[in-house]
Amino acid sequence: AQSVTQLGSHVSVSEGALVLLRCNYSSSVPPYLFWYVQYPNQGLQLLLKYTSAATLVKGINGFEAEFKKSETSFHLTKPSAHMSDAAEYFCAVSEQGGSEKLVFGKGTKLTVNP
Amino acid sequence: GAGVSQSPSNKVTEKGKDVELRCDPISGHTALYWYRQRLGQGLEFLIYFQGNSAPDKSGLPSDRFSAERTGESVSTLTIQRTQQEDSAVYLCASSSRTGNSPLHFGNGTRLTVT
Repeated sequence: AQSVTQLGSHVSVSEGALVLLRCNYSSSVPPYLFWYVQYPNQGLQLLLKYTSAATLVKGINGFEAEFKKSETSFHLTKPSAHMSDAAEYFCAVSEQGGSEKLVFGKGTKLTVNP
Repeated sequence: GAGVSQSPSNKVTEKGKDVELRCDPISGHTALYWYRQRLGQGLEFLIYFQGNSAPDKSGLPSDRFSAERTGESVSTLTIQRTQQEDSAVYLCASSSRTGNSPLHFGNGTRLTVT
């Protein structure tokens, strides 16, 4: 069965600084990987996804994530944080050709300080 | 409608009562998911439907929880004899197909059991 670990339930950065949100996954088959974002008082929306094409995936709002099979990681990055990036970010995994269940991590709350 | 619709948006109920939560997915979406989000926690998978069948019910916390879907459309999550620990936001999501298709989330039903 697949699982996701997000290191750090809270991350705080200064405006303009690098954003790095960590995600490690476990899957017995090649995974599909996703990052979702939940802005305050809004529903979850897709930020980006990895589906076995390019290992570096670009998403909305300047975010990107790199799939590293050897490290079983899919960390989310953004070169320069903006105040509007303050939100909760969830990493999720499903199995290619296997269970269709999408399993989420516990989430990382990002705070951006002026 | 344009998005996933959940009703009610808020529900307060007394311990021991039964509740029904409704989800209207995006028209044409064959996959439908239910998740639970407790305060300060990540998304906990409950159940998913492919069409009207539920291949994976492994996330249902107890036999007090059940879900059904009819007409490859509306789904109802029923919680019998509610307990205080059932208090959470219940999220529904749908996708056009499973696997690598992104999920479209509703705004959730906030359930409070007093």
